[in-house]
Amino acid sequence: AQSVTQPDIHITVSEGASLELRCNYSYGATPYLFWYVQSPGQGLQLLLKYFSGDTLVQGIKGFEAEFKRSQSSFNLRKPSVHWSDAAEYFCAFTDSWGKLQFGAGTQVVVTP
Amino acid sequence: GAVVSQHPSRVICKSGTSVKIECRSLDFQATTMFWYRQFPKKSLMLMATSNEGSKATYEQGVEKDKFLINHASLTLSTLTVTSAHPEDSSFYICSALNLAGVSYNEQFFGPGTRLTVL
Repeated sequence: AQSVTQPDIHITVSEGASLELRCNYSYGATPYLFWYVQSPGQGLQLLLKYFSGDTLVQGIKGFEAEFKRSQSSFNLRKPSVHWSDAAEYFCAFTDSWGKLQFGAGTQVVVTP
Repeated sequence: GAVVSQHPSRVICKSGTSVKIECRSLDFQATTMFWYRQFPKKSLMLMATSNEGSKATYEQGVEKDKFLINHASLTLSTLTVTSAHPEDSSFYICSALNLAGVSYNEQFFGPGTRLTVL
């Protein structure tokens, strides 16, 4: 079955420390992959996406993600987090014309 | 570019009434829009796919008579929650699919509508 898994429900990180959010997908071919961020009570903002080409993708707000076909993973990273990065992060993929499937989300808490 | 708006942002209604939520693509044409529902601290659940000029396609388990979707123009889709009950209280988010240019196959999300049914 097609699915996307975010193993970490909740991550706490100190401001200035690095952050890595895990995402694994299950799909027979290479999907289109996305990372979204959601602040409380808000809609979703796209951080970055992978369709093809370079497997290291740069996004907004200093985020990057690496697509690893062998591991069926698309982990999100940021070298140094800011307090404003506290939010819910969703990994998602689409296998066709735009129908997205989301992971369960990872809540990121940033401590001083 | 690629801005999607939703109106209203919050709505409180009495049980048994109907509520309409609008989703608009402000600067692009969207032949396809999607409606999601999100419970507190949960992920987004796709409710239906809305295609301009045709009937919406509902996901399994979503009552199409409860959640009426209309996509009458290339920039507007509406979700009407009919005879709302407290269990319909949720955060509803729409998105619009941009099939043009560099944003090909990317969904742009509205800010969401918080529905509370008393």
